[in-house]
Amino acid sequence: GNSVTQMEGPVTLSEEAFLTINCTYTATGYPSLFWYVQYPGEGLQLLLKATKADDKGSNKGFEATYRKETTSFHLEKGSVQVSDSAVYFCALSDDTGRRALTFGSGTRLQVQP
Amino acid sequence: DAGITQSPRHKVTETGTPVTLRCHQTENHRYMYWYRQDPGHGLRLIHYSYGVKDTDKGEVSDGYSVSRSKTEDFLLTLESATSSQTSVYFCAISETGGNTEAFFGQGTRLTVV
Repeated sequence: GNSVTQMEGPVTLSEEAFLTINCTYTATGYPSLFWYVQYPGEGLQLLLKATKADDKGSNKGFEATYRKETTSFHLEKGSVQVSDSAVYFCALSDDTGRRALTFGSGTRLQVQP
Repeated sequence: DAGITQSPRHKVTETGTPVTLRCHQTENHRYMYWYRQDPGHGLRLIHYSYGVKDTDKGEVSDGYSVSRSKTEDFLLTLESATSSQTSVYFCAISETGGNTEAFFGQGTRLTVV
């Protein structure tokens, strides 16, 4: 079945530091890949997505590239801010059957001023 | 913001009692999902629906049932609550599932004592 593996957290960075959160996946076929973000006390919201190999998703300074050869979708940001502190979830969705998301375990990011 | 409302937002219940959580949407999206969020597990799919009266199981469906009699409402019932069902429950909606964005409610924190 489908699965997503994320790096363990928490990740603690100083403001303006470079961020990488690793994500690898296992899936049959050609899944779509997503990063969702959860701020304290809220539901999840879509950060970015990529639907085919070599696509790059980007939003709010975050980027991730769909790498089929390494089955990865690592999240990066060049300069984090305190407001980026949240939990980040990598997820995939297949286009068959239930068309639902399979999530990684989440990575908590703490950015210190 | 997508029109999706979960109720109640918080609930404490006793072991062995039935509990129903409600998800209401105003977006007329076809797909609706129930997930549970637990530390170290990310979000796991309980049940999903792909239309009125069309539902199916996810990975962690034991002890849960669902119903969808109208497009806008998706109910999750814990038939006889157990302490292992203490969790945060999220409803999500999606227009077509698969590679389209899912929108999440704010969650219901359920405690079974």
